[in-house]
Amino acid sequence: GNSVTQMEGPVTLSEEAFLTINCTYTATGYPSLFWYVQYPGEGLQLLLKATKADDKGSNKGFEATYRKETTSFHLEKGSVQVSDSAVYFCALRGDQGGKLIFGQGTELSVKP
Amino acid sequence: KAGVTQTPRYLIKTRGQQVTLSCSPISGHRSVSWYQQTPGQGLQFLFEYFSETQRNKGNFPGRFSGRQFSNSRSEMNVSTLELGDSALYLCASSWGPGGSYNEQFFGPGTRLTVL
Repeated sequence: GNSVTQMEGPVTLSEEAFLTINCTYTATGYPSLFWYVQYPGEGLQLLLKATKADDKGSNKGFEATYRKETTSFHLEKGSVQVSDSAVYFCALRGDQGGKLIFGQGTELSVKP
Repeated sequence: KAGVTQTPRYLIKTRGQQVTLSCSPISGHRSVSWYQQTPGQGLQFLFEYFSETQRNKGNFPGRFSGRQFSNSRSEMNVSTLELGDSALYLCASSWGPGGSYNEQFFGPGTRLTVL
């Protein structure tokens, strides 16, 4: 079945450091890929998405490229801020639609 | 436009009781999905409703059930609560049934604690 694997956390960075959170997936066909962010005490917010191979999703300085050849959707940001501290979830939805399948989440802590 | 609302935000119950959680989707959205979030299992899909019909169901026991009303509001019910049901229950709404171009918007969740 479909699955998502993302790097374990917690990840601790200094402000203005470069961020990469790895995400790889297993799926048949052409799934849509997502990154969600969860701030403490809140629900999930969609950060960015990509619906086909080689698409790049971007938002708030975050980027991720849908790489079908490596089945990956790594999240990157060039310069993190303290306010980026949160838990980040990689997710996919199969090409037949339906439920989101999430990775286990990566906690990011950014220190001033 | 108001976001997805979930009530109550926090609940404390004891084993064996039953609980009902409520979700009001964004106005105009007709699809509601429910997810359970726990530290051990992460985020797991419970079920999806569209136009009052259950379209998909996750791998949860029959103690977990849900329904959707004609105004798209949804409820989920858990009967005979177990300690392991303690979790954050998230509701997500979208305009149509699950599909590649239908973004799901999540509510803040209901934190259920079973004692």
